[in-house]
Amino acid sequence: GQNIDQPTEMTATEGAIVQINCTYQTSGFNGLFWYQQHAGEAPTFLSYNVLDGLEEKGRFSSFLSRSKGYSYLLLKELQMKDSASYLCAVNTNAGKSTFGDGTTLTVKP
Amino acid sequence: DAMVIQNPRYQVTQFGKPVTLSCSQTLNHNVMYWYQQKSSQAPKLLFHYYDKDFNNEADTPDNFQSRRPNTSFCFLDIRSPGLGDAAMYLCATSRDLGTPGEQFFGPGTRLTVL
Repeated sequence: GQNIDQPTEMTATEGAIVQINCTYQTSGFNGLFWYQQHAGEAPTFLSYNVLDGLEEKGRFSSFLSRSKGYSYLLLKELQMKDSASYLCAVNTNAGKSTFGDGTTLTVKP
Repeated sequence: DAMVIQNPRYQVTQFGKPVTLSCSQTLNHNVMYWYQQKSSQAPKLLFHYYDKDFNNEADTPDNFQSRRPNTSFCFLDIRSPGLGDAAMYLCATSRDLGTPGEQFFGPGTRLTVL
C-alpha cells in the first residue's frame, strides 16, 4: 500500500515564503505531483518530480528526495489567492496516483 | 478549449434512488478516472478506464459502477445511494498509464443524498 503524510493546515503572511512538506512510502514509485485545490473546485496541476532535485516554475518550486521519500512545495511571494489546499500525489508504475489529504494554506494580509 | 466537463455540477438524489453522473473530455486522453472526495479528505480513486479496459479499486463498493461508451464519455452510476455517498465526485483524464503525466480534472459534481 501507500502512505502519504502532509501537514493538515499552515498559515503564512502575504509576501512571505512557505514550504509544504510531504513524506511518502510506496512501491513502484513513478513520480510525485503537487496539485492546488481551491475550496469547492477541482484540483489543478502545479508540478511534477520524478528525479531528485528542485524543479522551479515561477513562484512555485518543488523538491524531491526519492531515498528519503520526501518532497516539498515552496511558494514564494505569497498572494492572497494562494489560499487553497495543496495536494501531494504519488504516482506508481501502475499509472495511478494516490493523493494525500492535502494541506490547507491560509494566507493572511 | 480542450477540457474535462462534468454534468451536472450539483446533483440531489434520494436515499436509494439510482443516480448517474457524467463526464466528457475533449483531450482525447486514453485514461479516465473517477474519484470520490469528501470534505477535507484526499480524492479517493474509485476506478479508471484505460481505453475500454475497466479497472476497479479493491475497496470500491459494488454500489458504484461505471461505463465508458466511447473515448470521450464516462459515466458513474450509483445504484442505491446512501447518506455516506454524499461527496464531491471528480472525473479526471490522463494521456496514458505508466508514462508520467498530470491528470486533468473536471469541475466535479457535488452529490447530496436526502
